[in-house]
Amino acid sequence: GAVVSQHPSRVICKSGTSVKIECRSLDFQATTMFWYRQFPKQSLMLMATSNEGSKATYEQGVEKDKFLINHASLTLSTLTVTSAHPEDSSFYICSASGAAGDDGYTFGSGTRLTVV
Amino acid sequence: GENVEQHPSTLSVQEGDSAVIKCTYSDSASNYFPWYKQELGKRPQLIIDIRSNVGEKKDQRIAVTLNKTAKHFSLHITETQPEDSAVYFCAASINSGTYKYIFGTGTRLKVLA
Repeated sequence: GAVVSQHPSRVICKSGTSVKIECRSLDFQATTMFWYRQFPKQSLMLMATSNEGSKATYEQGVEKDKFLINHASLTLSTLTVTSAHPEDSSFYICSASGAAGDDGYTFGSGTRLTVV
Repeated sequence: GENVEQHPSTLSVQEGDSAVIKCTYSDSASNYFPWYKQELGKRPQLIIDIRSNVGEKKDQRIAVTLNKTAKHFSLHITETQPEDSAVYFCAASINSGTYKYIFGTGTRLKVLA
């Protein structure tokens, strides 16, 4: 089946620094990738939708200058948390869908970000 | 905006009993409803899905029902086992230019041995 690889799985960074998270589709072309944030014991909150070759579409309340998304190829999307603060600490998870779009997402393994 | 409500938030059942999780969606245009199982610290895994042209779908011990008129869909797990313990999320498709999903708030299922 479809596989999505996400790295790193865990990262600890200092306040004020930036962190890049990568999401790769390994055996299919992901025309669309999605980035979610998940707080402990809470649901997946969609942050943005990333389409290859175009600007990401951000959900209401998500700062696009803080959460930079790049989808430069059909197999790679990156999320950069800029000038991270402790409140950005969370579980970030990507998912990808192929051209059909409505056949169920494949999720990455997630990245636990801790900002100290 | 569009939203998906999910109930209950926690559910404990005895091993062998059935578990039912219910979701309600708001967008009448939603036409695809997947269910995900997420074990602690792991990625969500698709366990079953249903499209709007079908009222029920079953896969071994798992079934999903859909009532489009009422905008309800439910997950049914029969003969529960301890390994079914996890958080389950429902989702509904939203097509607002880009096809995407809105997730329910999750149900923490605990199967007691």
